[in-house]
Amino acid sequence: AQSVTQLGSHVSVSEGALVLLRCNYSSSVPPYLFWYVQYPNQGLQLLLKYTTGATLVKGINGFEAEFKKSETSFHLTKPSAHMSDAAEYFCAVSEGSGGYQKVTFGIGTKLQVIP
Amino acid sequence: NAGVTQTPKFRILKIGQSMTLQCTQDMNHNYMYWYRQDPGMGLKLIYYSVGAGITDKGEVPNGYNVSRSTTEDFPLRLELAAPSQTSVYFCASSPLQVWDNEQFFGPGTRLTVL
Repeated sequence: AQSVTQLGSHVSVSEGALVLLRCNYSSSVPPYLFWYVQYPNQGLQLLLKYTTGATLVKGINGFEAEFKKSETSFHLTKPSAHMSDAAEYFCAVSEGSGGYQKVTFGIGTKLQVIP
Repeated sequence: NAGVTQTPKFRILKIGQSMTLQCTQDMNHNYMYWYRQDPGMGLKLIYYSVGAGITDKGEVPNGYNVSRSTTEDFPLRLELAAPSQTSVYFCASSPLQVWDNEQFFGPGTRLTVL
């Protein structure tokens, strides 16, 4: 069975500092991995995804994540935090067969950006 | 495209009442999903559908029902509301391709059961 662990339900960074949000997964088959962002009172929207190919994935708003199979990790980073990055971030893993792939979400990490 | 729309945005129910949460998407996606989001719990799948007329249970289906008569609409029915169903409900949809499971989410319905 697939699962996702997000370390740190709350992370605070100063504006301009590095953002690092951690995600580890378990999966019995090669996974598809996603990061979603949720701004207050909104639905989730996709930041980036890893399916196959290049393990360093670039997403929107300057975020990127690296798939490390040996560490079963998919950490999200951004070199310099901006106030607008304050939101909740969800890591998700997908595996399955046939026409439907179940997606399992982590519990989320709330990012606070301090001016 | 409006994407995924949900109504209502907010609702307060009394214990034992019933209601339907509406969800519509205009992207011609075959797959649609209902999630609930509780603090510190992430998103839990309630029901999903792989096409019109086909639905199946997710992780937490008890107390809910769904139908999918058209590609566009995927309503979620609460028959006998209970306080445990207080949550934020998200509808989502995704394309047919099995290698690309990006989901598009609606803005959510915040439900309180008192």
